[in-house]
Amino acid sequence: EIVLTQSPGTLSLSPGDRATLSCRASQSVSSSSLAWYQQKPGQAPRLLIYTASNRATGIPDRFSGSGSGTDFTLTISRLEPEDFAVYYCQQYGSLPLTFGQGTKLEI
Amino acid sequence: QVQLVESGGGVVQPGRSLRLSCAASGFTFTSYAMHWVRQAPGKGLEWVALISSDGGSESYADSVRGRFTISRDNSKNTLYLQMNSLGAEDTALYYCAGQISTGYWGQGTLVTVSS
Repeated sequence: EIVLTQSPGTLSLSPGDRATLSCRASQSVSSSSLAWYQQKPGQAPRLLIYTASNRATGIPDRFSGSGSGTDFTLTISRLEPEDFAVYYCQQYGSLPLTFGQGTKLEI
Repeated sequence: QVQLVESGGGVVQPGRSLRLSCAASGFTFTSYAMHWVRQAPGKGLEWVALISSDGGSESYADSVRGRFTISRDNSKNTLYLQMNSLGAEDTALYYCAGQISTGYWGQGTLVTVSS
């Protein structure tokens, strides 16, 4: 099983700041099959990025993903108030699929 | 528009069974693999199970293998999760989700295992 470790656990920033979230895998993620989700309280997760760097439909271009192998990054270039939420990475290149434990982005 | 609507959750005693359903609409259900993902109260996301687009292949998390069965009825555009031998550790909000790249997720159905 591929274990995903996200860091930091909590990130305290302000609107307008740049946010950098990390996701490290215990083994190489096949075909860069790595996704990022945003989840707000009481809502289902929302897909932001798939295959490490492809933005999902309707996702603003301030969200970007990068990385390959075992190290992946989600960058939010300029934080908007609605971006404060919990972010999860997920690998789907190997079974079982696995999620990271999440990074809480707070003001 | 795309909709995934889960149903079948509720309060169930330990050791009992429950079947969840997920009704899909607004997209070509038969073209996509489907997943169940759960989230225990206040916790992170846990992948539960996957079924291929034609229903011919399934995969499970170790925590549910042998107790849960994922299935689909492509004639009804519906995904199912049969859950047997439920324990307190299965208490969670259960989401159905489409193939990863689609970003299709339902709003979830809550399962509470309690005596």
